[in-house]
Amino acid sequence: ILNVEQSPQSLHVQEGDSTNFTCSFPSSNFYALHWYRWETAKSPEALFVMTLNGDEKKKGRISATLNTKEGYSYLYIKGSQPEDSATYLCAFISNFGNEKLTFGTGTRLTIIP
Amino acid sequence: NAGVTQTPKFQVLKTGQSMTLQCAQDMNHEYMSWYRQDPGMGLRLIHYSVGAGITDQGEVPNGYNVSRSTTEDFPLRLLSAAPSQTSVYFCASSNTGTSATYEQYFGPGTRLTVT
Repeated sequence: ILNVEQSPQSLHVQEGDSTNFTCSFPSSNFYALHWYRWETAKSPEALFVMTLNGDEKKKGRISATLNTKEGYSYLYIKGSQPEDSATYLCAFISNFGNEKLTFGTGTRLTIIP
Repeated sequence: NAGVTQTPKFQVLKTGQSMTLQCAQDMNHEYMSWYRQDPGMGLRLIHYSVGAGITDQGEVPNGYNVSRSTTEDFPLRLLSAAPSQTSVYFCASSNTGTSATYEQYFGPGTRLTVT
């Protein structure tokens, strides 16, 4: 079983502040890393798919970086808004060729108005 | 496009009963998968399929069967329900080719309670 860890487990951030959290994964056998945003009572929705070491992706106020050599990815949210409240999941895919996604347990973000 | 659809949305079963959770997608995706979501455990892969006629086990396959006779449908069968199978089940699909570089599209989920 592959070990994918996310920290912190939960986070409360004041509206307007910026924040970031971490996804750690095995540094060997890397193939790809996905980030998903999961709002309460909805389904997870993809934010980013990252495949190259040093990748940096951005969507509006949310961005992500990838370091495959040391096995971590950061997700950044700039100027948090109440609609950013959600659980953020990362999923690791190894290069074993079986295409399985292994999810972390998520970071639950709550924005305080 | 309806995307990924799942039925039913809610189900209560008695221990020992069997049932099938339905999943369908209309995006011509080759890759489909089933996850269960339990508190504190995140999403755990039950079974997946890389195309019609091909299925494989995920992390927690025991007690579940799948088949993939068409590209569109990927039903999950509970053979003899147990209280440990109480969970929220999500079906997901992704574009043709490897799932690794294509985002997953998730269905709305099925909340299953086994008493």
